[in-house]
Amino acid sequence: DSGVTQTPKHLITATGQRVTLRCSPRSGDLSVYWYQQSLDQGLQFLIQYYNGEERAKGNILERFSAQQFPDLHSELNLSSLELGDSALYFCASSTGLAGVASTDTQYFGPGTRLTVL
Amino acid sequence: DQQVKQNSPSLSVQEGRISILNCDYTNSMFDYFLWYKKYPAEGPTFLISISSIKDKNEDGRFTVFLNKSAKHLSLHIVPSQPGDSAVYFCAAFSGTYKYIFGTGTRLKVLA
Repeated sequence: DSGVTQTPKHLITATGQRVTLRCSPRSGDLSVYWYQQSLDQGLQFLIQYYNGEERAKGNILERFSAQQFPDLHSELNLSSLELGDSALYFCASSTGLAGVASTDTQYFGPGTRLTVL
Repeated sequence: DQQVKQNSPSLSVQEGRISILNCDYTNSMFDYFLWYKKYPAEGPTFLISISSIKDKNEDGRFTVFLNKSAKHLSLHIVPSQPGDSAVYFCAAFSGTYKYIFGTGTRLKVLA
């Protein structure tokens, strides 16, 4: 158990709909990262928040948005869903800004599997 | 354009032998390289990282080697154990490109 929780575990919805994925970071972690893993693909970095502020942006579509709240949990909002948005969405957290060194590691949640029909 | 490539989708190794997982990258601006392990139905777990200024980092049975001139890194697991069977992701980080992951290599350690 990494200490990072994600809800829901599974989500099935239709094209054109909007969904919200939720992530609670490990206690004390200030950074939250969102990733998308499509079938047979590596993890695609979407966005990072640090202590409530957007820190870094990756390949995040304009239909997607995220935020980090004062209690440090984060939500990823996906709108106008398309079939190609079906994927595993992972959230990770780290204590500091980068999450790359052994002293500041990214801890991943179990993921939310989104199916768009 | 795949900046981080893991060209071997799968690898099988006998228990007790060495597992070598490979990763190639195209961008010389990456600052850190990382390896993650992923079991089914779980999120990736950090294994080991290496700064771009080093060429080797060791942690127990896991060693990562970085060859900057070849833009290549490898993860060595010695000795391999059945519990090491998982998908291994190589990742690279830079302030500009953020986090770039490879597509993973599925390692199977045979008892």
